[in-house]
Amino acid sequence: DSGVTQTPKHLITATGQRVTLRCSPRSGDLSVYWYQQSLDQGLQFLIQYYNGEERAKGNILERFSAQQFPDLHSELNLSSLELGDSALYFCASSVTGQSEAFFGQGTRLTVV
Amino acid sequence: AQRVTQPEKLLSVFKGAPVELKCNYSYSGSPELFWYVQYSRQRLQLLLRHISRESIKGFTADLNKGETSFHLKKPFAQEEDSAMYYCALSGRVNTSGTYKYIFGTGTRLKVLA
Repeated sequence: DSGVTQTPKHLITATGQRVTLRCSPRSGDLSVYWYQQSLDQGLQFLIQYYNGEERAKGNILERFSAQQFPDLHSELNLSSLELGDSALYFCASSVTGQSEAFFGQGTRLTVV
Repeated sequence: AQRVTQPEKLLSVFKGAPVELKCNYSYSGSPELFWYVQYSRQRLQLLLRHISRESIKGFTADLNKGETSFHLKKPFAQEEDSAMYYCALSGRVNTSGTYKYIFGTGTRLKVLA
């Protein structure tokens, strides 16, 4: 157990819908990262938050948004879902950004 | 540009054979480098970080700054080593002092009986 919790574990939804993925970082970790892992693809960095502030953005679509709340948990919102958004979404946390990143189990999103 | 390159998508070796998973990076400065492992679509776990210079599950990795490489090696592969391996770099985002992780595309290691 890495200490990073992601909910839900699985999500099946229809095209055009909106979903929210949740991540609770390890206690004391201020940095939260979101990644997308599609079938046979590597990890695509989406976005990073540090203590509530957005710090870095990767290949995140405009239909996707995220935020980190005062209690440090983070949510990733995916809207106007398309079939191609089906993927495993990972959240990771770390104390700073130079230390080890701890990953959650991921949320498997299936868009039908 | 900050980049991590893993040239092999798939590496198949026989049990007992040596393994080398390649990783090259591009970064101006002193990077922090990591190897993460992912078994059967489970969560990623840290395998090695270069500053600790330790051997985990028989794996070692040496940072070669001249060749900008951080290859992962194991002298004798075992079937349970079959997994996805990601090389990662921790790099400064900007002058704010924020760091982010940059992952390679990963190499799937298959150890054949």
